[in-house]
Formats: sequence, C-alpha cells, structure tokens
Amino acid sequence: GAGVSQSPSNKVTEKGKDVELRCDPISGHTALYWYRQSLGQGLEFLIYFQGNSAPDKSGLPSDRFSAERTGGSVSTLTIQRTQQEDSAVYLCASSLERTGKFFFGQGTRLTVV
Amino acid sequence: DQQVKQNSPSLSVQEGRISILNCDYTNSMFDYFLWYKKYPAEGPTFLISISSIKDKNEDGRFTVFLNKSAKHLSLHIVPSQPGDSAVYFCAVEGVTGNTGKLIFGQGTTLQVKP
Repeated sequence: GAGVSQSPSNKVTEKGKDVELRCDPISGHTALYWYRQSLGQGLEFLIYFQGNSAPDKSGLPSDRFSAERTGGSVSTLTIQRTQQEDSAVYLCASSLERTGKFFFGQGTRLTVV
Repeated sequence: DQQVKQNSPSLSVQEGRISILNCDYTNSMFDYFLWYKKYPAEGPTFLISISSIKDKNEDGRFTVFLNKSAKHLSLHIVPSQPGDSAVYFCAVEGVTGNTGKLIFGQGTTLQVKP
C-alpha cells in the first residue's frame, strides 16, 4: 500500500482478555518499530524489527507483551491478559534508511475496560 | 530517565507570528535530531531533521536550530498558520546498538489563533 496501515483503528477489550494489533508497513521497508502513546505522554518505544528478527525488545513493558514479524512485512503485537494500564494508542512505523525518517500508521486506540 | 525533554506542554501563537518550540537532550552522542508533527487521530508525520554536524536546517517556513554545547534543539515556524496547530514532537536517534530507533520528547501542543 501507499502508507503504513494498522488494524483495528479502535479496540475495546475487557480486562484479562488477549488482543492482537496488526501493522502492515510500506513495501520494501526493512525496519519496523512499535511505539505507544498513553494519555498525556510522549511516544514510548516498544520493539524494533529488522527483517523478521527483533534485535531490540527493550521497550516491551512486561512478558505479557510480544510481537512477531513474518515475511519481512506484516507485524503483530500481542498483549496477553490485558490490564487497564495497557490502554493507549499503539503506533507502528516503518523506515527504509537510517536518517530517522519514520512513516507512521494512524495507530490503534486500545481501551481496556 | 528522560533523555529528551520538551518542557512546554503547550504554546499559543497568533497567526502570522513566529512559533518557537524547544527541546533539550542529555546525550551529546546523538547523531540525528528530528521534529514530527501529529494531528488528532493520525500518526506522527516527519517534518524536518538536522544532523549533528550542522547547526541549522531550513525548509520553507520551518527552520530547526541545533545548539550542541547547550544540548538544545528548537523549531521555528514563521509565519505561523492555523493549519500548523498540532502536537509537535522532537526526537533523537538513539546511539545504543544500531537500531536507528527514535527517542521522543513528550510533545508540545501548538495552537495558532486566526
């Protein structure tokens, strides 16, 4: 596609349920990043993929969070046993070159009730 | 441990005037400095960047200044327009490893009044 696509746009889930968030990066972009923005906060780094491998997972807040990327393209962020503090906008970005120019998707707004 | 700080949560400016957004960072080893702009319900979009070997970069109405000795980055928008109203994030490229990941500030909400 022309840009980074994320789905769903909005997700409301009950506390304790698992959720999957999807990111479809720009074709050919080898680098893929997940960030989240909690209410009133900045963008918090979660995980970085280069191809299918994740050399930097340092931002994942707990072992309830995991992510994978297949075929060097689509990535899925999974949150198990969701908690209310997981409520945030989850943003995915892809990049082709190391100049910091990221292309972000529109984000998935996750609300845990 | 905030490596990138935007100390002003909000800024209000009259249309036609200059908007100055500020950002401070802690690590002198950062290579690239960037500004992103974010409208509600959209992802951030890249606005302008500067490498550590420069002190100024200009693109139309937008100019980024880098003061390495003060570890300070600023974005000037002149003249400001109502369509510039958005949240502005400064970002730096991390130096640990080779991930190219960006570290973002908390954001400054700019309101340009007609």
